[in-house]
Parts: sequence; structure tokens; C-alpha cells
Amino acid sequence: DAGVIQSPRHEVTEMGQEVTLRCKPISGHDYLFWYRQTMMRGLELLIYFNNNVPIDDSGMPEDRFSAKMPNASFSTLKIQPSEPRDSAVYFCASRAGGRGDTQYFGPGTRLTVL
Amino acid sequence: AQSVSQHNHHVILSEAASLELGCNYSYGGTVNLFWYVQYPGQHLQLLLKYFSGDPLVKGIKGFEAEFIKSKFSFNLRKPSVQWSDTAEYFCALGRQAGTALIFGKGTTLSVSS
Repeated sequence: DAGVIQSPRHEVTEMGQEVTLRCKPISGHDYLFWYRQTMMRGLELLIYFNNNVPIDDSGMPEDRFSAKMPNASFSTLKIQPSEPRDSAVYFCASRAGGRGDTQYFGPGTRLTVL
Repeated sequence: AQSVSQHNHHVILSEAASLELGCNYSYGGTVNLFWYVQYPGQHLQLLLKYFSGDPLVKGIKGFEAEFIKSKFSFNLRKPSVQWSDTAEYFCALGRQAGTALIFGKGTTLSVSS
């Protein structure tokens, strides 16, 4: 398996622009997670899905952030409009359904908002 | 509240020194515990995990961790670190099925050659 795939790997945009991050989980995994990592705040869980349904979005910072999972093999995280404080590395991760199953992380998208 | 605490923010060691990184969790139910490693510029990778059974868990690259239920701890150890172990290490708590892992804030390990 190719593992969790994220695109783009790097994104540089200007304040106010819309940004869309993409994730393809490992085939067969029931759970998908979006995290944000910054120096100041560390690794933060933004939202996660189970069988394509959002379960907990309490970590989404504000209404500018939205996430969707239209099918089992694809998810997007959208920021509109983007702000400089959104600059971070965004990780997607997936996990099978068992309690002890390992969570696998993608390579991340490094977002820079100017 | 359920949480994971990693006591050391930054640890600096010389090569061949022994390593122990602390991890304590707060949760009253059955747990799964994980240590992930993030090498500079890379994504998080699993080092080892505890699910059940033997509380001493061995992982990749010579790392091991011991689950001590009475202390709510899952400390990571390595008898002799190498320069290539320079990375950030995250402890994570898994709870009942259907919930997300709870990660600690991470410990940065710097190993000098």
C-alpha cells in the first residue's frame, strides 16, 4: 500500500485566498483524521471522520475551516479565506476500526500564507 | 479530563548515552498507548505500541517502553542513543473504539556526536 497520500506537499498563498488540502487514506481504513502542527501549539486534532461521517470537529479553529469526506478514499480540508496565522503543517492520518489499531500519518502539507 | 503529559520538552544527550522519556496519561478506562517519532522534516511514524499483554513493549530501532498501570505511565527507553535518533517523540493515548488518539505535546531529542 502507498500509505496515506497528501497533496500538495507545499502550498504558498496570499492572505485571503482559498486553500484546499487533499488526502487519500489507506484503503480499508475506517477513520480519517486531520491535524495541524505548529511550533507554538504542537500537534492539534482538527477533525476526524468515521466511515465518511464527521465525528468530532471541535478542533476546527473557526468557520473559515471546513472539511469533507465525500467517499472512503478522499477527503479535503478547505480554508477560506486564509490568514497568515494558518501557516502550519497539516497532516492527514488514517486508521482501521479496531481499538488498538495503529494510526498512519501522511507526509503533510506545509502551508505558508503570506 | 483525559490527557497525556510528556514531562521533558527538550532533551539533549551525547551519543551512547541512555534515554528515558516520560509519559503519563489521565484516563480511567482500558488504554492503548503509542510512541510516535517525527524525524526532522518528516511525518510521524510509529515507534511502538502497547495493546495488551506484556507491559514491556519493544519497538523499532532498539526502543522499548514499559506500561505501568499503577503509575499511569508509558515511558520510552533506549540504552544507547545515536545521532540519528535526533527527532521529536510523541506519546499518544488510545481509548475506546471510535475515538481519536490523544497526543502529548512532544519531546524534542537532540543527540550530539
